[in-house]
Amino acid sequence: AQKVTQAQTEISVVEKEDVTLDCVYETRDTTYYLFWYKQPPSGELVFLIRRNSFDEQNEISGRYSWNFQKSTSSFNFTITASQVVDSAVYFCALSDSSTGANSKLTFGKGITLSVRP
Amino acid sequence: KAGVTQTPRYLIKTRGQQVTLSCSPISGHRSVSWYQQTPGQGLQFLFEYFSETQRNKGNFPGRFSGRQFSNSRSEMNVSTLELGDSALYLCASSEFSYEQYFGPGTRLTVT
Repeated sequence: AQKVTQAQTEISVVEKEDVTLDCVYETRDTTYYLFWYKQPPSGELVFLIRRNSFDEQNEISGRYSWNFQKSTSSFNFTITASQVVDSAVYFCALSDSSTGANSKLTFGKGITLSVRP
Repeated sequence: KAGVTQTPRYLIKTRGQQVTLSCSPISGHRSVSWYQQTPGQGLQFLFEYFSETQRNKGNFPGRFSGRQFSNSRSEMNVSTLELGDSALYLCASSEFSYEQYFGPGTRLTVT
């Protein structure tokens, strides 16, 4: 069975600090996809990134960066110079590729990030 | 393109009643998935429809059902509501096998 663990439940930082959100996953699939989503107070899940199991290159997008390491089954997310607008719940998710689609996501419990001014 | 829309946004029902939630995917997206989000269980996959066929199903009782129409719009139905069905129900659409885009959700309260 697939499993996603986000051990951190709540993180509080002061604006401009860097923060890393951890994600550890378990799967028996050799082909799978990992995702990060952001859920602001409005409730809508906002897609941030998708990474497939064959691409271990790190990704950087503005202040966001992701570190994927298959050896440790981790897909960590770092926000550099955090801002108040980054306050949200962040979810890591894993897809079941058996149907050939990223249709069945297994989510972690989420990390509530609070950025104080 | 317009995003995923869900109606209604809020709903209050009584135990034993049934409810139907609607989801309109992003134009051109043929896959629609439904998720239930509760404080205790987190985000859980309900089912996925692709081209009017249920392609994937989560571990929910038969009271939870869905369908998809030829225009890709989807509905989910919950019969004989229980207090534990109170949740945020999220719909997501995707194009082929790419990432899913979520709607704002329908907050269902069962009293």
